[in-house]
Amino acid sequence: NAGVTQTPKFQVLKTGQSMTLQCAQDMNHEYMSWYRQDPGMGLRLIHYSVGAGITDQGEVPNGYNVSRSTTEDFPLRLLSAAPSQTSVYFCASSYRTGYYGYTFGSGTRLTVV
Amino acid sequence: SQQGEEDPQALSIQEGENATMNCSYKTSINNLQWYRQNSGRGLVHLILIRSNEREKHSGRLRVTLDTSKKSSSLLITASRAADTASYFCATDANSGGGADGLTFGKGTHLIIQP
Repeated sequence: NAGVTQTPKFQVLKTGQSMTLQCAQDMNHEYMSWYRQDPGMGLRLIHYSVGAGITDQGEVPNGYNVSRSTTEDFPLRLLSAAPSQTSVYFCASSYRTGYYGYTFGSGTRLTVV
Repeated sequence: SQQGEEDPQALSIQEGENATMNCSYKTSINNLQWYRQNSGRGLVHLILIRSNEREKHSGRLRVTLDTSKKSSSLLITASRAADTASYFCATDANSGGGADGLTFGKGTHLIIQP
């Protein structure tokens, strides 16, 4: 099925550990992005990419890295996990921003202890 | 920063009734989008309305946009139990492929009572 695939669905990390959240889309979307969703805060943009080899920061980028080596994949790396990064993370893609809606993955629920 | 603010935060109605949710935003936009999120799931795109449009329909959904008041409303007619979800408005300031992403409100939690 065409769409955005995120793995893992759940993850528990200890403070200071690192990990990578995977995101892949098979719709040939140029634009990909990562959001975090916290209770009462809505969704906030972490990083985004307008195409392979191009990434930039969103509203809350600290503590996260991204890369975009292919059109399909956009992994999010937590460098040194902190309890403040406990959240639900969503990857989203769009054929073209400003004209089309976004397709979201099912999310990764991350707990940092 | 939060751009959109939905109102009400929570809404409970009887099945078959209409549900109306409102969204206000602060800065100029290219388009405004509404998304649905079922508990524990990802967001699903419902409808996009451009800044030069005033009203748009999709099935049982009707969206209006008033750029002079910087507000939008989502109407769901003849509600069903399956419409129980959180609804988010999101503003898109991008035009022609810009990259600023969407700015989301905090959502309206809609409960449809059987």
